[in-house]
Amino acid sequence: DGGITQSPKYLFRKEGQNVTLSCEQNLNHDAMYWYRQDPGQGLRLIYYSQIVNDFQKGDIAEGYSVSREKKESFPLTVTSAQKNPTAFYLCASSIRWVNTEAFFGQGTRLTVV
Amino acid sequence: AQSVTQLDSQVPVFEEAPVELRCNYSSSVSVYLFWYVQYPNQGLQLLLKYLSGSTLVKGINGFEAEFNKSQTSFHLRKPSVHISDTAEYFCAVSRSNYQLIWGAGTKLIIKP
Repeated sequence: DGGITQSPKYLFRKEGQNVTLSCEQNLNHDAMYWYRQDPGQGLRLIYYSQIVNDFQKGDIAEGYSVSREKKESFPLTVTSAQKNPTAFYLCASSIRWVNTEAFFGQGTRLTVV
Repeated sequence: AQSVTQLDSQVPVFEEAPVELRCNYSSSVSVYLFWYVQYPNQGLQLLLKYLSGSTLVKGINGFEAEFNKSQTSFHLRKPSVHISDTAEYFCAVSRSNYQLIWGAGTKLIIKP
């Protein structure tokens, strides 16, 4: 079955540690996205990639980093510079950058302990 | 700047009653419109989309939405809700050269 796989589903991080969230898609989509979701705040765009080997900052990129070395993979690293990383993180992809719907993974819930 | 407004953060409704979730957007150009549903601790799932053509769009789970260009609205409706419809619903808009713009979400609360 085609889809987007995020792992792990739950992740705990100690303060000061970097962690990497995985996102893989087998839909052959060009565009991929990372969103952060906090209660009552909807979806906020962290980074996006229109095509392999290219990515752009979204609205809240500070404290995060990404790479897009393969079309199917778009990992997100939450660095120690992110002061409030506890949130639900959603990865999505779309066949192209604009004028189309996005498909979502099941999310990763990151908690700082 | 383009924006999407979901007018209600929460909508409580009795089971088997009809429901309307409101979405308004700001754009002077043609847009594509989407409604997504999110169940607790899950990702978002596409309910329906408007790209062109008929302004009444039917989606999954008995939902439908109507595109109103003059009022720049895309309200989501269901004639009879079920307890399983309890979820958060997001409206989103896309247009040329812009990624999806999201509303803040509306929580649908079904009362037995």
